[in-house]
Amino acid sequence: DVVMTQSPLSLPVTLGQPASMSCRSSQSLVSSDGNTYFYWFLQRPGQSPRRLIYKVSNRDSGVPDRFSGSGSGTDFTLEISRVEAEDVGVYYCLQSTHWPWTFGQGTKLEIK
Amino acid sequence: EAQLVESGGGLVQPGGSLRLSCVASGFTVSNYPMSWARQVPGKGLEWVSLINPGGRTYYKDSVKGRFTISSDNSKNTLYLQMSSLTAEDTAVFYCVKGTDFWGQGTLVTVSS
Repeated sequence: DVVMTQSPLSLPVTLGQPASMSCRSSQSLVSSDGNTYFYWFLQRPGQSPRRLIYKVSNRDSGVPDRFSGSGSGTDFTLEISRVEAEDVGVYYCLQSTHWPWTFGQGTKLEIK
Repeated sequence: EAQLVESGGGLVQPGGSLRLSCVASGFTVSNYPMSWARQVPGKGLEWVSLINPGGRTYYKDSVKGRFTISSDNSKNTLYLQMSSLTAEDTAVFYCVKGTDFWGQGTLVTVSS
C-alpha cells in the first residue's frame, strides 16, 4: 500500500497568520493517464470530511481562495494564507492513484 | 443538490453480519465511483471498498472475502454487506461519491 506521511501532526496557528502542512507519499502519485490523484480534506469536529483540493491544486467549489495546494510526484503542500477560526480541524491528504486509496494520518490545526 | 444518507449501523456481536445502506439523491449512483470509507472514533480515515461505474469492485485487504459492495440502480442505493465482523471493524462508516461528497456516517460497533 502507498503510505502517506503528513507533517506536522499538530499545527498551532495564530488567527490571521499563515499555515502550511505537508504530505509525502511512499511512491509517485502520477497515474498512467498523466494525472495526479491527490486530494486535501478538512474534517471539522463532529463532521464528515469535506474535500478542499482535488488533483493537487484545484480548489473545490465554495472553498475560500486562502487555501492553496501544490506539489508533484511524492511531495505535496497545503497552505492557508490567513487562518480563520473556521479552519480548525484535522486535515487529511488522500491518494487515489493506487488501490487501496490511502489517507495520511492527519494534521490537527488549532488556534493558539 | 447531492445527498447521501447511510443507515444500517448498530451493535453486532463478533462473528456477526450487518448490511449498510446508502440512499443517494441529486445524482445517479451508477454514473460515479462509489465507496465506503471508515473511521475508528477519534482516529484516522481508511478507504474500505469501491465500486466503479462499470461494476468492478475493489476491497482493502483486511476486508476482502468478508465485505461485499453493491448497488441497486433502481433504488439509487449503495450497500455494504459485512460478515465475520471483529472488534477491529468498529468504526463510523461513510458512503462517498467519487472523492468529493461524503454522507454523515453510520456507526458500527462490534462487541459482545
